[in-house]
Amino acid sequence: DIVMTQTPLSSPVTLGQPASISCRSSQSLVHSDGNTYLSWLQQRPGQPPRLLIYKISNRFSGVPDRFSGSGAGTDFTLKISRVEAEDVGVYYCMQATQSVTFGQGTKVEIK
Amino acid sequence: EVQLVESGGGLVQPGGSLRLSCAASGFTFSRCWMIWVRQAPGKGLEWVANINQDGSEKYYVDSVKGRFTISRDNAKNSLYLQMNSLRAEDTAVYYCAEINEGWGQGTLVTVSS
Repeated sequence: DIVMTQTPLSSPVTLGQPASISCRSSQSLVHSDGNTYLSWLQQRPGQPPRLLIYKISNRFSGVPDRFSGSGAGTDFTLKISRVEAEDVGVYYCMQATQSVTFGQGTKVEIK
Repeated sequence: EVQLVESGGGLVQPGGSLRLSCAASGFTFSRCWMIWVRQAPGKGLEWVANINQDGSEKYYVDSVKGRFTISRDNAKNSLYLQMNSLRAEDTAVYYCAEINEGWGQGTLVTVSS
């Protein structure tokens, strides 16, 4: 199974400041079809997961442009350019190149 | 607008069965792999099963193999999860999702006597 490792596991941030979450996979996420099925999910307290980013860097419909995804191969990053209060929650990376696995989750909270 | 709406959860005794449903709309369901994911109370996300576009390929996490069955009805834009021989450790919120289209709100399954 592909293991997804997120860092940090907790990220206290100041409102208006940037935040960054790293996700590393135990093997390349490039699929035989040429796509890289790496997604980022946001889970606000008491809410279901919400798709933010798919295939590394594609923002899902309605996702603010302060969220961006980047990376390739085994190393990926989610960046929030200016954290807002509504961004508090747990963020997961997820791969669907080989079966489906998730990172442990990164808790984003306001300092 | 993409919508995925799960139903069928509830309280069931150990050894019992439940059938979850997921109604999809807003995207071309018949062209998509679909997945079931669960989240135990206070825990992270765990993939449970997935199914290809025509239902000919199905995969399961080891802990549910032989007990759970994923299926779909493309004519009804619906995804299902038949859960048998339920255990306390199956207690979780169950979500259906398409990896590039979105997630449902989830349905809670509680296995307890």
